[in-house]
Amino acid sequence: GQQVMQIPQYQHVQEGEDFTTYCNSSTTLSNIQWYKQRPGGHPVFLIQLVKSGEVKKQKRLTFQFGEAKKNSSLHITATQTTDVGTYFCAGRDNAGKSTFGDGTTLTVKP
Amino acid sequence: ETGVTQSPTHLIKTRGQQVTLRCSSQSGHNTVSWYQQALGQGPQFIFQYYREEENGRGNFPPRFSGLQFPNYSSELNVNALELDDSALYLCASSLARGYEQYFGPGTRLTVT
Repeated sequence: GQQVMQIPQYQHVQEGEDFTTYCNSSTTLSNIQWYKQRPGGHPVFLIQLVKSGEVKKQKRLTFQFGEAKKNSSLHITATQTTDVGTYFCAGRDNAGKSTFGDGTTLTVKP
Repeated sequence: ETGVTQSPTHLIKTRGQQVTLRCSSQSGHNTVSWYQQALGQGPQFIFQYYREEENGRGNFPPRFSGLQFPNYSSELNVNALELDDSALYLCASSLARGYEQYFGPGTRLTVT
């Protein structure tokens, strides 16, 4: 079955440093979604990428979808303490099934 | 908030018992997906309902079953509970299949 891997599992940064998490799927995806989950909370939708090579930005966050639609990345510029949480990618196949990665947990030291 | 509600918030059951979890979708959303999230892991897809029909299922045994009602609210039923079923159960509604998902706060199930 489809597998989605995320690296790194954990990332500790100093406030102001950049952060990147990578997502790789074993199969070609229909689309990919990114979510953020704060400790004790539920996943919150950030963005969806559909097109091959697509790049989208949300303020300090930049999302990319690979040309082969099998990988994606999320980059945060100049992290802030409010960025802490676990970032998940979720790859959707043509049958509509979403497979989540195990997430990258970001901690930011002020 | 997402407008997706789940009940109950917490639940403690004994191994072998049955449980029903409920989810109320965001207004206008006809698609509901259920996920199981163990501690430190990503949500695992259980199944999805679209307009009252099951529309995709993950690698979960038949003792995990569901329903979607005409108002698009949904239930997750788990029979013969096992200790490993202890987890956070999340439902997510979306405007249609393939759209972004809006998660509810989850039900924390503990099986003893």
